[in-house]
Amino acid sequence: EIVLTQSPATLSLSPGERVTLSCRASQSISSDLAWYQQKPGQAPRVLIYDTSNRATGIPARFSGSGSGTDFTLTISSLEPEDFAVYYCQQRWSWPRTFGQGTKVEIK
Amino acid sequence: EVQLVESGGGLVQPGGSLRLSCAASGFTFSDYSMNWVRQAPGKGLEWVSHITGSSSITVYADSVKGRFTISRDNAGNSLHLQMNNLRAEDTAVYYCARDGGDNFDFWFGYWGQGTLVTVSS
Repeated sequence: EIVLTQSPATLSLSPGERVTLSCRASQSISSDLAWYQQKPGQAPRVLIYDTSNRATGIPARFSGSGSGTDFTLTISSLEPEDFAVYYCQQRWSWPRTFGQGTKVEIK
Repeated sequence: EVQLVESGGGLVQPGGSLRLSCAASGFTFSDYSMNWVRQAPGKGLEWVSHITGSSSITVYADSVKGRFTISRDNAGNSLHLQMNNLRAEDTAVYYCARDGGDNFDFWFGYWGQGTLVTVSS
């Protein structure tokens, strides 16, 4: 099973700040990584798929990069609606696995 | 508009059974693989099971293999999860999720709102 390790567990930031979230895979997963955002009481929604492609309707302030084992989600300038938990997920091999999540909270 | 609506959650005793359903609309159901993903209270996401559009392939997480069975009814546009021999650690919100979004395949593109399963005596 491929283990995805996200860091940090929590980020305390202010609106307008730049955010960089990390996701490291226990083995190479090529570019088979997605990022999801989840707000309290809501289902997750996909932000980025195939490492760097934004899903429909996702603002340009969200971007993804990486390959192999190291991946990054960047939010160029935090908006109030971006405070949430972010998960990475791989589909390189079964079982599909998620990282443990990074919570982005208001400082 | 794609809609996924789960039902069937509730309180069940350890060792008991429950059948979850997910009603799909707004797309050609048989064209898409479907999944169940769960989230224990206050915890992260865990993929549970996958089924292809024709039901020819099913895949399970080790944590549920032999206890849970995924199935679908393409004529009725519904997805199901039969859960047997339930354990306390199966307590979670269960989401159905479609493979594929508006412009991509394979990722969890659409999600339902979830149904809560609580396993407790």
